[in-house]
Amino acid sequence: AQSVTQLGSHVSVSEGALVLLRCNYSSSVPPYLFWYVQYPNQGLQLLLKYTTGATLVKGINGFEAEFKKSETSFHLTKPSAHMSDAAEYFCAVSVPKAGNMLTFGGGTRLMVKP
Amino acid sequence: GAGVSQSPSNKVTEKGKDVELRCDPISGHTALYWYRQSLGQGLEFLIYFQGNSAPDKSGLPSDRFSAERTGGSVSTLTIQRTQQEDSAVYLCASRIMGGGTDTQYFGPGTRLTVL
Repeated sequence: AQSVTQLGSHVSVSEGALVLLRCNYSSSVPPYLFWYVQYPNQGLQLLLKYTTGATLVKGINGFEAEFKKSETSFHLTKPSAHMSDAAEYFCAVSVPKAGNMLTFGGGTRLMVKP
Repeated sequence: GAGVSQSPSNKVTEKGKDVELRCDPISGHTALYWYRQSLGQGLEFLIYFQGNSAPDKSGLPSDRFSAERTGGSVSTLTIQRTQQEDSAVYLCASRIMGGGTDTQYFGPGTRLTVL
């Protein structure tokens, strides 16, 4: 079975500051890892994903994440926060070739202060 | 092309009534998933359809929940004898099979309120 832990249900940063959202996972087999963003009253939009290959993955809107197997982590970063980044972010894991159902973390609400 | 669509966007029902939620996946996507997003439980998997294979129902919380997928396209999630704890946003996602892509594309969800 898989599990995902997102540290910090709420994170607040100033506009222009570094964004760091933490995600740790547990999986008995090499997983696929995802970050999704959810804006109010909308569905989930994929930010980025790691399947195989390069461990540093770049996504939309300037976000990136690094897969660290030794730390079982997949933290999401962005060098400079923008007001439009305010949303809820979900880290998720899936097991390839087993239906790829997503197991989500609890989510982190990012607030950006002017 | 069009994304995943869901209807209705909002549904208010009385406890004990049955409800049906609809999902139209992206054309050509053979895999379809239902998830539930609630305050108490977060985002959780409900059921998975892949082509003509038997669905994976391992996430359904009770036998009041069922789903079908007709013609390999549209899916309907049915909740019988709704309870207040069924109140949640129900999200549908679809995925294309093969080609090395593993991305699920989500619809906007149906917000269900059980009074």
